[in-house]
Amino acid sequence: GAGVSQSPSNKVTEKGKDVELRCDPISGHTALYWYRQSLGQGLEFLIYFQGNSAPDKSGLPSDRFSAERTGGSVSTLTIQRTQQEDSAVYLCASSFSGTKNQPQHFGDGTRLSIL
Amino acid sequence: GESVGLHLPTLSVQEGDNSIINCAYSNSASDYFIWYKQESGKGPQFIIDIRSNMDKRQGQRVTVLLNKTVKHLSLQIAATQPGDSAVYFCAAAKSGTYKYIFGTGTRLKVLA
Repeated sequence: GAGVSQSPSNKVTEKGKDVELRCDPISGHTALYWYRQSLGQGLEFLIYFQGNSAPDKSGLPSDRFSAERTGGSVSTLTIQRTQQEDSAVYLCASSFSGTKNQPQHFGDGTRLSIL
Repeated sequence: GESVGLHLPTLSVQEGDNSIINCAYSNSASDYFIWYKQESGKGPQFIIDIRSNMDKRQGQRVTVLLNKTVKHLSLQIAATQPGDSAVYFCAAAKSGTYKYIFGTGTRLKVLA
């Protein structure tokens, strides 16, 4: 497709379970971002990938969170041993280049609910 | 730290009127700004961007104004329509960096 694709769109899971969220960026975009959006809050930066460079993981809230990007394209965000405070919308964005003032284009997110 | 804030959490306008949504940023080194529209249950949608070498940029029914002196930008929507109802937020970035600072958003309600 033409836009950023995220799956699943909704995920409900029990506390303590692991979840994996997927992002398929726009073709040709070298930069990929993950954000977390809680109700009524702004976007919280989680992680940034640029090409083959080492990712900026400075926004990951705990070591239960990890992400990878394979082949410079699809990315997965994994949350281990989920907690209720992990409930949020997880948004993925991509841009042509991370540092050359290009707009980030977002997917529709994964709405994660931890019971 | 850096911040981006909007002046009003909610703005109600009559259908057909013009809307103005404001945003202030704190980092004078910011030189790239973006406006996004987010409808319920969807991801943010890019509307328009502006670089600091410009004061004004126009798109389809939208205009962004940038005042670097007071570190303020605004989004003007002409002839507001029901489909414009959404949360609007701005983002600021500095050249050569990849982290954008996002505001929390103004909810625009269009009254019939």
